[in-house]
Amino acid sequence: GAGVSQSPSNKVTEKGKDVELRCDPISGHTALYWYRQSLGQGLEFLIYFQGNSAPDKSGLPSDRFSAERTGGSVSTLTIQRTQQEDSAVYLCASSLEMAQPQHFGDGTRLSIL
Amino acid sequence: SQQGEEDPQALSIQEGENATMNCSYKTSINNLQWYRQNSGRGLVHLILIRSNEREKHSGRLRVTLDTSKKSSSLLITASRAADTASYFCATDAPSGTYKYIFGTGTRLKVLA
Repeated sequence: GAGVSQSPSNKVTEKGKDVELRCDPISGHTALYWYRQSLGQGLEFLIYFQGNSAPDKSGLPSDRFSAERTGGSVSTLTIQRTQQEDSAVYLCASSLEMAQPQHFGDGTRLSIL
Repeated sequence: SQQGEEDPQALSIQEGENATMNCSYKTSINNLQWYRQNSGRGLVHLILIRSNEREKHSGRLRVTLDTSKKSSSLLITASRAADTASYFCATDAPSGTYKYIFGTGTRLKVLA
């Protein structure tokens, strides 16, 4: 079956612009996670969703970052007024339920000029 | 700070040898997971071990968990060139949320 799909796969934008990253989880998966990975580093947790609800937003780096999930399916991560330090690979994962193995997309590589 | 720290940071072995990677964490957990990441790709789940389990096997993979030492190890037996990847451990945060914390990973290189 289809895995987790992320779009775009690559995004290059100018500092100060807003960007929107999209994640299509595996159908039926109630849990959805967003992570950020800088070059050669581990994953930095950003936010997770149980259904459409995000109980813990403490991982979002600043108030320029926001995320939403609608219909228990697609999620979007929005970064406003992008900064160069936002450059990274943004990974999305979903799992059938919480505390279950996560299935990852291939990420969106974001480059801020 | 990272909940999970892998050791070593990098490991290079010959095909057919065993590879052992270690993960240490700082606080109590509900479960610990190991993932593999090939360059430029997303992570692939390998094994989930719960806090009340001590050992799990999956094919050529063996994972152990020592909650008294707050550590886990991943053993890959009879390694293959295709095992070349980065390996991460992930622990759920102790606060009861599902905020998974990943370590910085071990980069494994298997030489043919």
